[in-house]
Amino acid sequence: AQSVTQLDSQVPVFEEAPVELRCNYSSSVSVYLFWYVQYPNQGLQLLLKYLSGSTLVKGINGFEAEFNKSQTSFHLRKPSVHISDTAEYFCAVSEAAGNKLTFGGGTRVLVKP
Amino acid sequence: EPEVTQTPSHQVTQMGQEVILRCVPISNHLYFYWYRQILGQKVEFLVSFYNNEISEKSEIFDDQFSVERPDGSNFTLKIRSTKLEDSAMYFCASRRDRGQNEQFFGPGTRLTVL
Repeated sequence: AQSVTQLDSQVPVFEEAPVELRCNYSSSVSVYLFWYVQYPNQGLQLLLKYLSGSTLVKGINGFEAEFNKSQTSFHLRKPSVHISDTAEYFCAVSEAAGNKLTFGGGTRVLVKP
Repeated sequence: EPEVTQTPSHQVTQMGQEVILRCVPISNHLYFYWYRQILGQKVEFLVSFYNNEISEKSEIFDDQFSVERPDGSNFTLKIRSTKLEDSAMYFCASRRDRGQNEQFFGPGTRLTVL
């Protein structure tokens, strides 16, 4: 069975500052990795995904993430955040493409002016 | 852009009552999912559905739960006799086909059991 840990439940950050959201996973098999964002009162929207190939994945809204197999991590980064990035961010894994997703606990990002 | 829709956005019910949560997946999608998120906790997988049958379900998805695709557009989650601990946000998701990895999520239905 797989599991996902997001070490930070909340991350306050100033506008235009960089942000990194940490995600670690455990699984006995190869996994696919995802980051979803949830804006207030909305559903989950895919930011980016890692299936195979280059370990650096670029997503929407200027976000990127790096898959590190040896550290079983998939940290999300953005070099300069905007107020509109205030949201909750979820890391998720699946053991095969399209299978059920296992989510981390989420990280709430609050961007301050 | 096509999207997954869910109704109602908020449902309040009395313990022991039956509820049906409705989802309209994206029209050409073939795989359907329900997840739930109890307040302050993780998003948890409930069930996946393909070709008119359940393909996988979690331990949470016991006999009180059922899913159905009654027509070509709706995908429903029924809870037969709600408990207080069923209070949560329920998300529906759909995926196009075998080769497409992304699950598209709806905005969720907040279920409150009193």
